[in-house]
Amino acid sequence: DTAVSQTPKYLVTQMGNDKSIKCEQNLGHDTMYWYKQDSKKFLKIMFSYNNKELIINETVPNRFSPKSPDKAHLNLHINSLELGDSAVYFCASSPARTSGGGLPGEQFFGPGTRLTVL
Amino acid sequence: DAKTTQPPSMDCAEGRAANLPCNHSTISGNEYVYWYRQIHSQGPQYIIHGLKNNETNEMASLIITEDRKSSTLILPHATLRDTAVYYCIAGRGGNTPLVFGKGTRLSVIA
Repeated sequence: DTAVSQTPKYLVTQMGNDKSIKCEQNLGHDTMYWYKQDSKKFLKIMFSYNNKELIINETVPNRFSPKSPDKAHLNLHINSLELGDSAVYFCASSPARTSGGGLPGEQFFGPGTRLTVL
Repeated sequence: DAKTTQPPSMDCAEGRAANLPCNHSTISGNEYVYWYRQIHSQGPQYIIHGLKNNETNEMASLIITEDRKSSTLILPHATLRDTAVYYCIAGRGGNTPLVFGKGTRLSVIA
């Protein structure tokens, strides 16, 4: 009954390869996110999707392409992997604002995917 | 989103209250104060949030100053499992991404 799940948990791959990370949430939330935590432990937003539509792309290289087949899933595909892509990637979800715009919307994070590019 | 400032690290004896401060002097009127924590390489975990009033839940209490320029997260009886990095974030909530700073590394000592 995990709220936000990610697969795989660990991913080790060679430079130049293409890989995908999957994320699923069973909370019925409208908004999903991808965050990246680098080796210095800084946690930064990459993308945000609301009801399957991209709403935020924080200057992430084109090699990163999120895909949201439905509201419960947000997958991250990475082409031509580079050494600098090594990091922990976290998926998260949150409920949308209410019609009055006042819902604070705590975010629920997945366990993370540790990507190592060799 | 308003920037927040936190001490880089703190220690707390097990069983004692842990008081984690946060400055957010540029917070705007529609921004909430959120607290999250990250326990060693796990995903960040929501703790509590508030707008103006002090808040309490089963995990912690949040004290926000009247001018809203600073706040304090209180863990009333810290345990070893509370050892984590604690992030104070000012944000509009809803579907707005969180802007994480460096946080405070809290070490609870037996």
